Amino acid sequence: AQKITQTQPGMFVQEKEAVTLDCTYDTSDQSYGLFWYKQPSSGEMIFLIYQGSYDEQNATEGRYSLNFQKARKSANLVISASQLGDSAMYFCAMTASGTYKYIFGTGTRLKVLA
Amino acid sequence: GAGVSQSPSNKVTEKGKDVELRCDPISGHTALYWYRQSLGQGLEFLIYFQGNSAPDKSGLPSDRFSAERTGGSVSTLTIQRTQQEDSAVYLCASSLLGGGAVDEQFFGPGTRLTVL
Repeated sequence: AQKITQTQPGMFVQEKEAVTLDCTYDTSDQSYGLFWYKQPSSGEMIFLIYQGSYDEQNATEGRYSLNFQKARKSANLVISASQLGDSAMYFCAMTASGTYKYIFGTGTRLKVLA
Repeated sequence: GAGVSQSPSNKVTEKGKDVELRCDPISGHTALYWYRQSLGQGLEFLIYFQGNSAPDKSGLPSDRFSAERTGGSVSTLTIQRTQQEDSAVYLCASSLLGGGAVDEQFFGPGTRLTVL
């Protein structure tokens, strides 16, 4: 069965510094997708970044990058130059090609300090 | 509208009452999903609609929960005889392709349900 593990329930980072949010996954599928979503206090889930299992390069979207280590089954999110507006819950999720269900981790609450 | 919308944004009800939650997906998106998020937890899959196919109801926690999608667009999630453990945020999402393609899901703002 597929599983997503986020071991950091809460993280603090100083404004303008970089932070890494950990995500490990377990799947027997060869083709799958990995996603990161941000959930601010307003509650809406905001898509940040996607990595396909066959993508050879790490995905990047602005200040977000995904450190994809396939052999270790990890998909860590790196936020560079943190901003106060980055304070939110961050969820890692995956889905396998041929399915449509997202499997979500329990999330990491990030607090950016001024 | 440009995004997924949900109504109401908040719903407070008494134990035993029925509630209906509504979701308007992004126009043109064929797939629609319902999730439940309990306090401090990740998202729990409830049900999935894809085009005119029969929905996947495998995530519904009990037969008190049902959902329909009319005309391939708007969806309603109904919870009958609500219980206090039903209190959660109910999130709706839609995606363009669904059906096994690994594509991005766009989420609505959610409905916060509180059962007293």
